[in-house]
Amino acid sequence: DAKTTQPNSMESNEEEPVHLPCNHSTISGTDYIHWYRQLPSQGPEYVIHGLTSNVNNRMASLAIAEDRKSSTLILHRATLRDAAVYYCILRKGSTLGRLYFGRGTQLTVWP
Amino acid sequence: DAGVTQSPTHLIKTRGQQVTLRCSPISGHKSVSWYQQVLGQGPQFIFQYYEKEERGRGNFPDRFSARQFPNYSSELNVNALLLGDSALYLCASSLAGTDIQPQHFGDGTRLSIL
Repeated sequence: DAKTTQPNSMESNEEEPVHLPCNHSTISGTDYIHWYRQLPSQGPEYVIHGLTSNVNNRMASLAIAEDRKSSTLILHRATLRDAAVYYCILRKGSTLGRLYFGRGTQLTVWP
Repeated sequence: DAGVTQSPTHLIKTRGQQVTLRCSPISGHKSVSWYQQVLGQGPQFIFQYYEKEERGRGNFPDRFSARQFPNYSSELNVNALLLGDSALYLCASSLAGTDIQPQHFGDGTRLSIL
């Protein structure tokens, strides 16, 4: 399975934008890029996913590089509730729905 | 609407015992997956079931088994418990077994082995 690389940790101030990077240089043409986050003492929560084009939803935006070897999850205005571990995951058609998590990025949001 | 529910929320067992964890998916979801999350690491895939059939298995020993019932709920069984089985066990459900559907997670069962 294609591997993703994320920084171990990032920090932000409340109400500032946050850009969480993810490198996936071995991505294949059929891999979707998914982001999940895990708040303390909770299960992971789906955030967003995309294939080639940038995507927006109520939670975040996903910017995908033109060569698809990297992507960035954008939180437009961080809140204290956004403090979580963020996971960037590639999903292949052969994995039948299973997710392969790395260590993710621990996001700290300061008031 | 109710999300994914797991029971119990916490459990303490001793080495060598057996444990059964339960999961109820979101109504209408036919796929259930199980994950193990050791402290400080991301969740690791254990099993996926879809329409009561096993569709995938992660790199876990045969002591781990699971099943899915006609109502799509699921159980995870672990025999001969080891100290290393102490972890958060997560259940996730999705509409179908395909790759694109987002998975919805419960808050897990915290299993402690003494």
